[in-house]
Amino acid sequence: ELKVEQNPLFLSMQEGKNYTIYCNYSTTSDRLYWYRQDPGKSLESLFVLLSNGAVKQEGRLMASLDTKARLSTLHITAAVHDLSATYFCAVVYTGNQFYFGTGTSLTVIP
Amino acid sequence: NAGVTQTPKFRILKIGQSMTLQCTQDMNHNYMYWYRQDPGMGLKLIYYSVGAGITDKGEVPNGYNVSRSTTEDFPLRLELAAPSQTSVYFCASSYSSVEQFFGPGTRLTVL
Repeated sequence: ELKVEQNPLFLSMQEGKNYTIYCNYSTTSDRLYWYRQDPGKSLESLFVLLSNGAVKQEGRLMASLDTKARLSTLHITAAVHDLSATYFCAVVYTGNQFYFGTGTSLTVIP
Repeated sequence: NAGVTQTPKFRILKIGQSMTLQCTQDMNHNYMYWYRQDPGMGLKLIYYSVGAGITDKGEVPNGYNVSRSTTEDFPLRLELAAPSQTSVYFCASSYSSVEQFFGPGTRLTVL
Protein backbone atom coordinates (compact mmCIF):
# COMPACT_ATOMS: atom_id res chain seq x y z
CA GLU A 1 0.00 0.00 0.00
CA LEU A 2 1.31 3.43 -0.92
CA LYS A 3 1.76 5.66 2.10
CA VAL A 4 2.98 9.19 2.65
CA GLU A 5 3.44 10.00 6.30
CA GLN A 6 4.21 13.33 7.84
CA ASN A 7 5.26 14.10 11.35
CA PRO A 8 4.50 15.79 13.48
CA LEU A 9 0.84 16.28 12.64
CA PHE A 10 0.63 19.32 14.88
CA LEU A 11 3.44 21.66 15.77
CA SER A 12 3.36 24.64 18.05
CA MET A 13 6.56 26.62 18.18
CA GLN A 14 7.78 29.93 19.47
CA GLU A 15 8.90 32.70 17.21
CA GLY A 16 12.61 32.62 16.55
CA LYS A 17 12.96 28.86 17.03
CA ASN A 18 14.00 26.25 14.46
CA TYR A 19 12.15 23.06 13.66
CA THR A 20 11.91 20.31 11.06
CA ILE A 21 8.91 18.59 9.50
CA TYR A 22 9.44 15.09 8.17
CA CYS A 23 7.84 13.36 5.19
CA ASN A 24 8.35 9.62 4.73
CA TYR A 25 7.04 7.70 1.76
CA SER A 26 6.73 3.99 1.14
CA THR A 27 7.64 3.48 -2.52
CA THR A 28 10.38 4.81 -4.77
CA SER A 29 9.59 8.16 -6.35
CA ASP A 30 11.67 10.71 -8.21
CA ARG A 31 9.59 13.76 -7.38
CA LEU A 32 8.47 15.27 -4.12
CA TYR A 33 6.47 18.44 -3.54
CA TRP A 34 5.85 20.71 -0.59
CA TYR A 35 2.74 22.89 -0.34
CA ARG A 36 1.37 25.42 2.07
CA GLN A 37 -2.33 25.83 2.88
CA ASP A 38 -3.82 28.64 4.94
CA PRO A 39 -7.15 27.96 6.70
CA GLY A 40 -10.05 27.90 4.25
CA LYS A 41 -7.74 28.60 1.32
CA SER A 42 -6.26 26.72 -1.59
CA LEU A 43 -2.77 25.23 -1.82
CA GLU A 44 0.35 27.18 -2.67
CA SER A 45 3.33 25.40 -4.18
CA LEU A 46 6.52 25.85 -2.14
CA PHE A 47 9.10 23.44 -3.51
CA VAL A 48 9.52 20.76 -6.15
CA LEU A 49 12.38 18.34 -5.45
CA LEU A 50 13.42 16.31 -8.46
CA SER A 51 16.49 14.31 -7.50
CA ASN A 52 18.32 12.65 -4.66
CA GLY A 53 20.16 15.19 -2.55
CA ALA A 54 18.12 18.10 -3.89
CA VAL A 55 17.96 21.07 -1.56
CA LYS A 56 15.86 24.18 -2.10
CA GLN A 57 15.51 27.26 0.05
CA GLU A 58 13.06 30.13 0.06
CA GLY A 59 13.27 32.61 2.91
CA ARG A 60 13.04 30.77 6.24
CA LEU A 61 12.07 27.44 4.65
CA MET A 62 14.47 24.85 3.31
CA ALA A 63 13.47 21.51 1.82
CA SER A 64 15.65 18.50 1.10
CA LEU A 65 15.17 15.08 -0.45
CA ASP A 66 16.84 11.74 0.28
CA THR A 67 15.40 9.24 -2.20
CA LYS A 68 17.38 6.33 -0.77
CA ALA A 69 15.86 6.86 2.67
CA ARG A 70 12.50 7.87 1.09
CA LEU A 71 12.56 10.94 3.27
CA SER A 72 12.09 14.64 2.74
CA THR A 73 12.47 17.35 5.35
CA LEU A 74 11.11 20.87 5.55
CA HIS A 75 13.27 22.92 7.88
CA ILE A 76 12.00 26.13 9.40
CA THR A 77 14.58 28.66 10.55
CA ALA A 78 13.78 31.40 13.08
CA ALA A 79 10.03 30.96 12.77
CA VAL A 80 7.76 33.97 12.43
CA HIS A 81 3.99 34.19 12.88
CA ASP A 82 3.39 34.47 9.13
CA LEU A 83 4.58 30.89 8.71
CA SER A 84 1.55 29.57 10.61
CA ALA A 85 -0.27 27.29 8.15
CA THR A 86 -0.67 23.63 7.24
CA TYR A 87 2.17 22.13 5.24
CA PHE A 88 1.72 19.14 2.96
CA CYS A 89 4.20 16.95 1.18
CA ALA A 90 3.17 14.98 -1.91
CA VAL A 91 4.89 12.21 -3.80
CA VAL A 92 4.35 11.23 -7.42
CA TYR A 93 4.09 7.61 -8.51
CA THR A 94 3.80 6.03 -11.96
CA GLY A 95 4.04 9.30 -13.81
CA ASN A 96 1.16 11.35 -12.55
CA GLN A 97 -0.37 9.76 -9.50
CA PHE A 98 0.00 12.30 -6.70
CA TYR A 99 -0.22 11.07 -3.11
CA PHE A 100 -0.42 13.62 -0.32
CA GLY A 101 0.55 13.35 3.30
CA THR A 102 -2.03 14.24 5.95
CA GLY A 103 -0.37 17.56 6.63
CA THR A 104 1.44 19.29 9.49
CA SER A 105 -0.47 22.08 11.17
CA LEU A 106 2.06 24.67 12.28
CA THR A 107 1.29 27.40 14.77
CA VAL A 108 3.97 29.97 15.53
CA ILE A 109 3.46 31.64 18.90
CA PRO A 110 4.77 35.17 19.49
CA ASN B 1 -3.95 35.59 -16.34
CA ALA B 2 -6.77 34.34 -14.17
CA GLY B 3 -4.87 31.10 -13.48
CA VAL B 4 -7.11 28.20 -12.44
CA THR B 5 -10.75 29.08 -11.84
CA GLN B 6 -13.44 26.87 -10.37
CA THR B 7 -17.21 27.22 -10.20
CA PRO B 8 -19.27 27.13 -8.11
CA LYS B 9 -17.55 28.12 -4.85
CA PHE B 10 -20.19 26.45 -2.70
CA ARG B 11 -22.96 23.97 -3.41
CA ILE B 12 -25.45 21.94 -1.42
CA LEU B 13 -26.86 18.83 -3.08
CA LYS B 14 -29.50 16.36 -2.06
CA ILE B 15 -28.69 12.65 -2.10
CA GLY B 16 -29.07 11.29 -5.61
CA GLN B 17 -28.75 14.62 -7.40
CA SER B 18 -26.15 15.24 -10.07
CA MET B 19 -23.88 18.17 -10.75
CA THR B 20 -20.80 19.25 -12.65
CA LEU B 21 -17.91 21.10 -11.08
CA GLN B 22 -16.25 23.38 -13.58
CA CYS B 23 -12.50 24.00 -13.87
CA THR B 24 -10.79 26.26 -16.38
CA GLN B 25 -7.17 27.30 -16.74
CA ASP B 26 -5.71 29.95 -19.02
CA MET B 27 -2.03 29.02 -18.76
CA ASN B 28 -2.06 26.54 -21.65
CA HIS B 29 -1.07 23.75 -19.25
CA ASN B 30 -1.29 20.24 -20.60
CA TYR B 31 -1.82 18.50 -17.25
CA MET B 32 -4.94 18.94 -15.16
CA TYR B 33 -6.05 17.27 -11.93
CA TRP B 34 -9.06 16.90 -9.66
CA TYR B 35 -8.59 16.34 -5.92
CA ARG B 36 -10.85 16.11 -2.93
CA GLN B 37 -9.89 17.19 0.57
CA ASP B 38 -11.80 15.90 3.56
CA PRO B 39 -11.60 17.82 6.86
CA GLY B 40 -8.19 17.59 8.51
CA MET B 41 -6.80 15.44 5.74
CA GLY B 42 -4.50 15.72 2.77
CA LEU B 43 -5.68 15.77 -0.81
CA LYS B 44 -6.69 12.64 -2.67
CA LEU B 45 -6.44 12.45 -6.45
CA ILE B 46 -9.73 11.67 -8.20
CA TYR B 47 -8.84 11.95 -11.90
CA TYR B 48 -6.17 13.56 -13.99
CA SER B 49 -5.56 14.40 -17.63
CA VAL B 50 -2.33 14.74 -19.57
CA GLY B 51 -3.95 16.50 -22.51
CA ALA B 52 -7.17 17.01 -24.41
CA GLY B 53 -8.96 13.72 -24.94
CA ILE B 54 -6.83 11.82 -22.41
CA THR B 55 -7.96 11.11 -18.85
CA ASP B 56 -7.01 8.58 -16.21
CA LYS B 57 -8.15 7.49 -12.77
CA GLY B 58 -6.49 8.56 -9.58
CA GLU B 59 -6.69 7.09 -6.10
CA VAL B 60 -10.44 7.69 -5.49
CA PRO B 61 -12.36 7.79 -8.82
CA ASN B 62 -15.54 5.94 -7.80
CA GLY B 63 -18.67 8.07 -8.14
CA TYR B 64 -17.04 10.62 -10.45
CA ASN B 65 -16.51 11.13 -14.16
CA VAL B 66 -14.40 13.58 -16.13
CA SER B 67 -13.87 14.70 -19.69
CA ARG B 68 -11.23 16.84 -21.38
CA SER B 69 -12.43 18.13 -24.72
CA THR B 70 -10.23 21.24 -24.67
CA THR B 71 -6.89 22.18 -23.15
CA GLU B 72 -8.55 24.80 -20.95
CA ASP B 73 -11.46 22.90 -19.39
CA PHE B 74 -11.62 19.85 -17.16
CA PRO B 75 -15.12 19.38 -15.67
CA LEU B 76 -15.82 16.85 -12.91
CA ARG B 77 -19.21 15.15 -12.92
CA LEU B 78 -20.99 13.66 -9.91
CA GLU B 79 -23.85 11.47 -11.13
CA LEU B 80 -25.60 10.29 -7.96
CA ALA B 81 -24.46 12.39 -5.04
CA ALA B 82 -23.86 10.60 -1.75
CA PRO B 83 -23.04 12.02 1.72
CA SER B 84 -19.54 10.49 1.40
CA GLN B 85 -18.87 12.98 -1.39
CA THR B 86 -19.16 15.91 0.98
CA SER B 87 -15.75 17.51 0.67
CA VAL B 88 -13.76 20.39 -0.74
CA TYR B 89 -12.79 19.83 -4.36
CA PHE B 90 -9.66 21.34 -5.86
CA CYS B 91 -8.68 21.51 -9.48
CA ALA B 92 -5.03 21.98 -10.43
CA SER B 93 -3.01 22.34 -13.58
CA SER B 94 0.64 22.09 -14.51
CA TYR B 95 2.99 22.08 -17.43
CA SER B 96 4.37 18.56 -17.76
CA SER B 97 3.48 17.72 -14.15
CA VAL B 98 6.16 19.82 -12.48
CA GLU B 99 4.79 22.74 -10.44
CA GLN B 100 1.04 22.52 -9.87
CA PHE B 101 -1.23 25.56 -9.68
CA PHE B 102 -4.41 25.11 -7.70
CA GLY B 103 -7.83 26.66 -8.07
CA PRO B 104 -9.69 28.21 -5.11
CA GLY B 105 -11.80 25.10 -4.47
CA THR B 106 -15.47 24.14 -4.41
CA ARG B 107 -17.05 23.29 -1.08
CA LEU B 108 -19.70 20.63 -1.65
CA THR B 109 -22.19 19.36 0.92
CA VAL B 110 -24.48 16.41 0.20
CA LEU B 111 -27.48 16.08 2.51
